[in-house]
Amino acid sequence: DIQMTQSPSSVSASVGDTVSITCRASQGISSWLAWYQQKPGKAPKLLIYAASSLQSGVPSRFSGSGSGTEFTLTISSLQPEDFATYYCQQANNFPHTFGQGTRLEIK
Amino acid sequence: QVQLQESGPGLVKPSQTLSLTCTVSGGPISGGDYYWSWIRQPPGKGLEWIGYIYYGGNTEYNPSLKSRITISIDTSKNRFSLQLSSVTAADTAVYYCARDVKEGGLRPAYYGMDVWGQGTTVTVSS
Repeated sequence: DIQMTQSPSSVSASVGDTVSITCRASQGISSWLAWYQQKPGKAPKLLIYAASSLQSGVPSRFSGSGSGTEFTLTISSLQPEDFATYYCQQANNFPHTFGQGTRLEIK
Repeated sequence: QVQLQESGPGLVKPSQTLSLTCTVSGGPISGGDYYWSWIRQPPGKGLEWIGYIYYGGNTEYNPSLKSRITISIDTSKNRFSLQLSSVTAADTAVYYCARDVKEGGLRPAYYGMDVWGQGTTVTVSS
C-alpha cells in the first residue's frame, strides 16, 4: 500500500493567517492526489483534485501544489469556517489511501 | 445535482454481516467516468477506503478487507450496496458512500470524490 503522511498533525492559526499542510507519498503518485476538508459530524468535502485543480465552488484561498511524492495544500487568509480537519488521498494505486489528517485549530 | 444517501441498520451483532445501501438521486448511476465508492471512519480516527464499483460491475476492494467485502450495483434502482461479513467491534464506524471520478483513455486524469453521502453510523455490538 502507498502510505500518505501528512504534516503537521495539528496546527494552530489565527483568522487572516496563511497555513500550509504537507502530504508525502511513500512512492510516486504523479498528480493523482486530492485534498478534502472535514468538519465534525460531516462528510468530507472535496477541495482540490489532480494535486492542484480547484474544485468548483471552493474559494480561491485554497490552493494545491506538488507532484510525485510531495504535495502541499495552502490556505491563504484563513476564515473562521476553515477551521476543520484536512485529508490528502492518493488514487494512483489500489488501495486508495488517505493521510492521517491535519487538524487546523483556532489560536 | 447528484445526491447520495446511505441506509441500513445502525447496529450489527458480532460475526454477522453488515449491509448498507447507497441510493443515488439527481442523476444516473450508469455511464460516465464514475466509480461508486465506500469509505469508513472509525470513531475519532481517519478515513479508510473500502472499495468501489463501476456501473458495468467491475470492482476494486481494499486488500485488508477483501475477503469479507462485496460491493454490488443495481442500475435499475440507481443504487449500490456494501456487504461486510464476519464483523467485529473494529468495524464500528461511520460509513460513507461517495462518487469517485476518474477519466481513462489516452490521458487519464483523477477528479476526486466529488459527491458524498451524509454518512451512517454502524455499531458492532451484541
